[in-house]
Amino acid sequence: DIVMTQSPDSLGVSLGERATINCKSSQSVLYNSNNKNYLAWYQQKPGQPPKLLIYWASTRESGVPDRFSGSGSGTDFTLTISSLQAEDVAVYYCHQYYTTPWTFGQGTKVEI
Amino acid sequence: EVQLVETGGGLIQPGGSLRLSCAASGFTVSSTYMSWVRQAPGKGLEWVSVIHSGGSTFYADSVKGRFTFSRDNSKNTLYLQMNNLRLEDTAVYYCATCRGGYGYFDYWGQGTLITVSS
Repeated sequence: DIVMTQSPDSLGVSLGERATINCKSSQSVLYNSNNKNYLAWYQQKPGQPPKLLIYWASTRESGVPDRFSGSGSGTDFTLTISSLQAEDVAVYYCHQYYTTPWTFGQGTKVEI
Repeated sequence: EVQLVETGGGLIQPGGSLRLSCAASGFTVSSTYMSWVRQAPGKGLEWVSVIHSGGSTFYADSVKGRFTFSRDNSKNTLYLQMNNLRLEDTAVYYCATCRGGYGYFDYWGQGTLITVSS
């Protein structure tokens, strides 16, 4: 199984400042035939289901604010919130869909 | 508008069985991949199972042989039959759509809670 490891586990950021979450996979999730990284990011607020933010490692989902961006390739990925807003307080998960069993990182809690 | 509504959760004793339903609207469940993802209380996300548009199913090792994912195209509804339930199956179970037949989840239901306890 591909193990996804996020860092840090929790993160305190001032309003308007940058938040950076890292995700490392135990093996590459880059599919060479189409040059796509099978990596997604989700945001989950308390009592709510997860919400898709980013897929293919860097493609922002429709309606997601452009302060959210994803980068990286192969085994190392980053989710960046360029200017943290109060409504961004949540737990963020990375997720590989390169191969089953699809797996998630343990989550990173972002607080003000 | 895509909507997913899970039902069937509740309290069940270890070794018991339960069937979850996920009623879909706004799209046809047989046209795309669909998944179940669970979340134990206070814990992270765990993928459980996927059903392909062609009907093939795949499972996490933790549920293989105990859970069965199926769908009723006429009702546009998905089912997760859960047998021989264990304490560690306690979780909120979400159904989710997998866009374009890939494994990332674009729409999620609100989830249904299964509590396995004696």
